[in-house]
Amino acid sequence: GAVVSQHPSRVICKSGTSVKIECRSLDFQATTMFWYRQFPKKSLMLMATSNEGSKATYEQGVEKDKFLINHASLTLSTLTVTSAHPEDSSFYICSARDEGGWRGAYGYTFGSGTRLTVV
Amino acid sequence: GEDVEQSLFLSVREGDSSVINCTYTDSSSTYLYWYKQEPGAGLQLLTYIFSNMDMKQDQRLTVLLNKKDKHLSLRIADTQTGDSAIYFCAERERDDKIIFGKGTRLHILP
Repeated sequence: GAVVSQHPSRVICKSGTSVKIECRSLDFQATTMFWYRQFPKKSLMLMATSNEGSKATYEQGVEKDKFLINHASLTLSTLTVTSAHPEDSSFYICSARDEGGWRGAYGYTFGSGTRLTVV
Repeated sequence: GEDVEQSLFLSVREGDSSVINCTYTDSSSTYLYWYKQEPGAGLQLLTYIFSNMDMKQDQRLTVLLNKKDKHLSLRIADTQTGDSAIYFCAERERDDKIIFGKGTRLHILP
C-alpha cells in the first residue's frame, strides 16, 4: 500500500535556529501534501496544503514566513520551521494524497510524525 | 468553520465493547474516518465510511453513521489492551481537506 516517510522522527534544536522536516511518498506520486500540527491533548490542526510546483496554501493564522513549505517534486515536500522558538515545539505530521490510486478514502496516507522540541 | 466533536476520554473493561461517538457539522462531507494514534506515533487509518452509507463492519470494528443527526460512532468489539490509543474522528470536506476531532483517549481496564 501507499507509504509516506517522514524524517526526522524526533529533533531537538536551539531557539533561533531552523529545522527542516521532510515528507516523502515512497511508492506513489503526490501533487498535494498536507502539513498538520498536533498540540498536547488537542486535535490535529491543518497548517497548510503543499502543491507541487506552486506555492503552498496556508490556513488562517499560520505564519507563512515562519513555516516554509517547499514541494519541489512529486514525492517530496519539506516544512522548514525558521527561527524556532519554544512555542513551536509540537508534533508535526504530513499527509499525502495518492493521485495514481483510487481517489477515495484510501487516497490519504499519513507520515509517522516529527516531534520537535525547541530548547 | 466546520467542526468535529468527540468526547475526550473513554474507559472500558477488557473484553467489553467500546463505543466512541463523534458529531460533525459539515453536511457536505463525502467521507468520514476513524484514525488510531498510539503514543508518539502517527495516524493509522482504521476504517472509513462513505456519506451515503449508514453502517460498515470490518472484523471487530463497526461504524454507524446517522447523516440526519450528523453523528458517527465506532464500536470496537471484545476490546483488548492493544486497543488502548487515541481515536480521531475526521471528515473530508468538499475541498478535500480533512478536519479532525480532538480525539478520544481509550483506556482499557483489566
